[in-house]
Amino acid sequence: SAVISQKPSRDICQRGTSLTIQCQVDSQVTMMFWYRQQPGQSLTLIATANQGSEATYESGFVIDKFPISRPNLTFSTLTVSNMSPEDSSIYLCSVVGIRLNEQFFGPGTRLTVL
Amino acid sequence: KQEVTQIPAALSVPEGENLVLNCSFTDSAIYNLQWFRQDPGKGLTSLLLIQSSQREQTSGRLNASLDKSSGRSTLYIAASQPGDSATYLCAVPEAGGSYIPTFGRGTSLIVHP
Repeated sequence: SAVISQKPSRDICQRGTSLTIQCQVDSQVTMMFWYRQQPGQSLTLIATANQGSEATYESGFVIDKFPISRPNLTFSTLTVSNMSPEDSSIYLCSVVGIRLNEQFFGPGTRLTVL
Repeated sequence: KQEVTQIPAALSVPEGENLVLNCSFTDSAIYNLQWFRQDPGKGLTSLLLIQSSQREQTSGRLNASLDKSSGRSTLYIAASQPGDSATYLCAVPEAGGSYIPTFGRGTSLIVHP
């Protein structure tokens, strides 16, 4: 199985600022995803992080608001830009393992925007 | 586009009961199906992964079955315990394409002593 760490685990931010979330995996994986989970809701896929190229964003999410980097096979960052209270959510990094195509999740980053 | 539905949305049972959680999907061309558990405010923990060629997987008190032709999977929890209280989600990746998983909305389970 893949072990995923995320930093920070939680943060409280002011409106208009930006926060970068880091995701580190302990093994090479085929795919990396970023999800958002708003309070009481299920998961919403933000984007697929592509190594060495621009991320692939889902409908409703744009690069200017959620820039993503993936410089190598085991690391990715998600930035939440120009935050508003509506961005308060848990942000989850997820990967798909090379063997068996099993999906794993990080512990999440709980973001509160005041 | 794959659609995943989970029934029931919520379940509250006394300790010791055997439970069945249901997951249905619209497109049977799948790589696999995965069941997850999520505790409040936490990430998701993988419980069971069933490959498309398999019919069931077991881990401890958990058993998951897969019927691709009918687009259904069930998660069976034997002898439920209060520690099983969590939200259970199933996920189905697209086959033959981007492998992006589609999640159900989950079943929120409470097992009371």
